[in-house]
Amino acid sequence: NAGVTQTPKFQVLKTGQSMTLQCAQDMNHNSMYWYRQDPGMGLRLIYYSASEGTTDKGEVPNGYNVSRLNKREFSLRLESAAPSQTSVYFCASSVYGPEQGIIYEQYFGPGTRLTVT
Amino acid sequence: TQLLEQSPQFLSIQEGENLTVYCNSSSVFSSLQWYRQEPGEGPVLLVTVVTGGEVKKLKRLTFQFGDARKDSSLHITAAQPGDTGLYLCAGGVKLIFGTGTRLQVFP
Repeated sequence: NAGVTQTPKFQVLKTGQSMTLQCAQDMNHNSMYWYRQDPGMGLRLIYYSASEGTTDKGEVPNGYNVSRLNKREFSLRLESAAPSQTSVYFCASSVYGPEQGIIYEQYFGPGTRLTVT
Repeated sequence: TQLLEQSPQFLSIQEGENLTVYCNSSSVFSSLQWYRQEPGEGPVLLVTVVTGGEVKKLKRLTFQFGDARKDSSLHITAAQPGDTGLYLCAGGVKLIFGTGTRLQVFP
């Protein structure tokens, strides 16, 4: 099993460009998440998908859109990149999610390092 | 809004030393998790604590959940270079993450 995979690993964008970060998991997990990690700020939730067909905003959703394409895949889109979106982006998945009220363990991908100039 | 503050932010120690990392909040959490993240990788879950006062051990790592379920600590005995990494606590329904403690253990 590959677990959670993310593409690309690195990306440099110019201000105003758009791009989509891809995430896939092969663990048959129901819930998937997108986080950004900035120095000194830990991980902040951007969006999550509790199950196929549903998405919800997290702590910092502005400037991002997501698509839960199917149970395996959850993509994050930046429509018009800004320097403030320079960060490392992590995708994660879990069997259960926030709605079930059950403690859940998240499995993380290796991250995408994005720089916006 | 639930917040998790970790201290210290940075810790550099010699191999063999003991250390404690703290995770504090003004809110009550039904459970807290501890993750370790190595450079260039995503976080990996170490432990989940659920009951107030609970103590869990993972080899040289000891995790404690505060009686009031507002804080947690991670104690490492005889640290090794392989313990180097970013330690994150997380809790809450939407798994809010703390700011992290970056640990460096020198041989």
